[in-house]
Amino acid sequence: DTGVSQNPRHKITKRGQNVTFRCDPISEHNRLYWYRQTLGQGPEFLTYFQNEAQLEKSRLLSDRFSAERPKGSFSTLEIQRTEQGDSAMYLCASSLGPRNTGELFFGEGSRLTVL
Amino acid sequence: SQQGEEDPQALSIQEGENATMNCSYKTSINNLQWYRQNSGRGLVHLILIRSNEREKHSGRLRVTLDTSKKSSSLLITASRAADTASYFCATDAGDGTASKLTFGTGTRLQVTL
Repeated sequence: DTGVSQNPRHKITKRGQNVTFRCDPISEHNRLYWYRQTLGQGPEFLTYFQNEAQLEKSRLLSDRFSAERPKGSFSTLEIQRTEQGDSAMYLCASSLGPRNTGELFFGEGSRLTVL
Repeated sequence: SQQGEEDPQALSIQEGENATMNCSYKTSINNLQWYRQNSGRGLVHLILIRSNEREKHSGRLRVTLDTSKKSSSLLITASRAADTASYFCATDAGDGTASKLTFGTGTRLQVTL
């Protein structure tokens, strides 16, 4: 399967614990995006990378959130000291970039439940 | 923040009928895209329309764009039960940075037999 891959698909954790999600984009895609989606809402932008450079971060991305894309390939999103309000679906997407904002290819998402 | 607002929030139709969803947005754009999401799954790109285009077709999909009204519509003709999903419009920044897409709140479509 050459699509966007996300792991784990589901994560249940207790408040205060740290969690990490991984995203493997389509191999030739330069851009990688993280979005968060809560129930009944559209995806909300968190951050994006052009190769290994993190070019933009949303105000939604508090200092408890950190994202990396060390070699311009896979990316990780870590949430420290999780809170119940962090419960959501975390979606990763990739695209060719950079000339225009074209089609995004999404993974199946990582659903986080914070108890 | 959500750039677009879809209307209606929910739509229930019978198989074979047409479904129309509308999207309004706030700022200038380079393009507008529509995505589909089955429950609990990722989003799938359906169609992209550029700011200098007024109408675009893809199979049973027809998208219109009115930049003067900052609105778009998605028409699904001859709907099928398999079209049951949430549909989102998404816009880019329109400021030349070619950065991220901003999604609307979505329309939940239910197609019954």
